[in-house]
Amino acid sequence: DGGITQSPKYLFRKEGQNVTLSCEQNLNHDAMYWYRQDPGQGLRLIYYSQIVNDFQKGDIAEGYSVSREKKESFPLTVTSAQKNPTAFYLCASSSDRHRGRLTDTGELFFGEGSRLTVL
Amino acid sequence: AQSVAQPEDQVNVAEGNPLTVKCTYSVSGNPYLFWYVQYPNRGLQFLLKYITGDNLVKGSYGFEAEFNKSQTSFHLKKPSALVSDSALYFCAVREAGDFNNDMRFGAGTRLTVKP
Repeated sequence: DGGITQSPKYLFRKEGQNVTLSCEQNLNHDAMYWYRQDPGQGLRLIYYSQIVNDFQKGDIAEGYSVSREKKESFPLTVTSAQKNPTAFYLCASSSDRHRGRLTDTGELFFGEGSRLTVL
Repeated sequence: AQSVAQPEDQVNVAEGNPLTVKCTYSVSGNPYLFWYVQYPNRGLQFLLKYITGDNLVKGSYGFEAEFNKSQTSFHLKKPSALVSDSALYFCAVREAGDFNNDMRFGAGTRLTVKP
């Protein structure tokens, strides 16, 4: 079945450690996104990518890094510079417009999330 | 830039009663509007969307939403609530035809349906 797979589901990190969250999609979507969810704050955009080898910062990119070497994969690294990393992280994808070609209405498809806890 | 407001943090209804979860939006141009539902420790699931056409949009699990351009609202409704509808609901907006702008989400409304 087509979809988005995030791993791990739960992750614990000691202070000062970098961790990488995996996100893989087989929907053939061009665009991929990382959101952070904290209670009462909705979803906040960390990074997004509309095409391979290109990505842009979202609203809260500080302390995070991403790569987009393959269309299917968009891993997120939470670095030690992120001061408050404990949160629920959601990856999403959509078949967005690319280079002027409108492919869809922009609906996002989400993975099941990864919960990161700093010990 | 676009934005979404969900004025109620919490909505409580009795099973079998109608439910409404409110959403208002702000965009420069025409909106694409979405509702998502989230169950505990899960990702967001798409419920329905408004793109163009009929202002009343029907979606999954018996939910519907009404687009009101003059009031810039997109309230989620269901005629008869189920206990299993209890979840966190998010409204979201994108500006039509411009996907260089990302999707903006409201803060969420927690719906509790009591037996």
